[in-house]
Amino acid sequence: KNEVEQSPQNLTAQEGEFITINCSYSVGISALHWLQQHPGGGIVSLFMLSSGKKKHGRLIATINIQEKHSSLHITASHPRDSAVYICARGQGAQKLVFGQGTRLTINP
Amino acid sequence: NAGVTQTPKFQVLKTGQSMTLQCAQDMNHEYMSWYRQDPGMGLRLIHYSVGAGITDQGEVPNGYNVSRSTTEDFPLRLLSAAPSQTSVYFCASSGQVNTEAFFGQGTRLTVV
Repeated sequence: KNEVEQSPQNLTAQEGEFITINCSYSVGISALHWLQQHPGGGIVSLFMLSSGKKKHGRLIATINIQEKHSSLHITASHPRDSAVYICARGQGAQKLVFGQGTRLTINP
Repeated sequence: NAGVTQTPKFQVLKTGQSMTLQCAQDMNHEYMSWYRQDPGMGLRLIHYSVGAGITDQGEVPNGYNVSRSTTEDFPLRLLSAAPSQTSVYFCASSGQVNTEAFFGQGTRLTVV
């Protein structure tokens, strides 16, 4: 069993829908990262969380340390949000442990 | 501001050949890592460094060597390439322990 589990693995939605991607982890953490990867592209950091909630534009990330669970929300989704979203636990760039990723497709 | 730069972007090697994947960052970050990304396996840690002169093994280190002679550079060496090393390789860096990670654009390596 992977230490970091994401759900769903694949998600297809219509433009404008509210999107939620979930991430659960099995060991205590110091930080939880949300990353975005476009097809054939590099990896971009969206958020790093150790508690509470963070917001950047239409993206919101929350974390519940007690329940070992984090969520990434996208409001008013757009086709350009189509990408693979990856959560990872760890400290900075070294020793990150990644989830399998969630492939998100937003149809116009 | 270049961030994390990986070269080359694409490479095809024959089994048994050796090569070095380059990674450089211009943010004066102490922490640097190499990951490989394989379908169905996600990203896995190969080697990491917490500062110049300090490196350590990750989850899948066999067949790879690293060194960190400067803060900026963290090259990954494939000693004798094998088809199992066909993958996409990412270098990452961060400034402190609990800070944002920055990734390079990746190197797509095929070993035939």
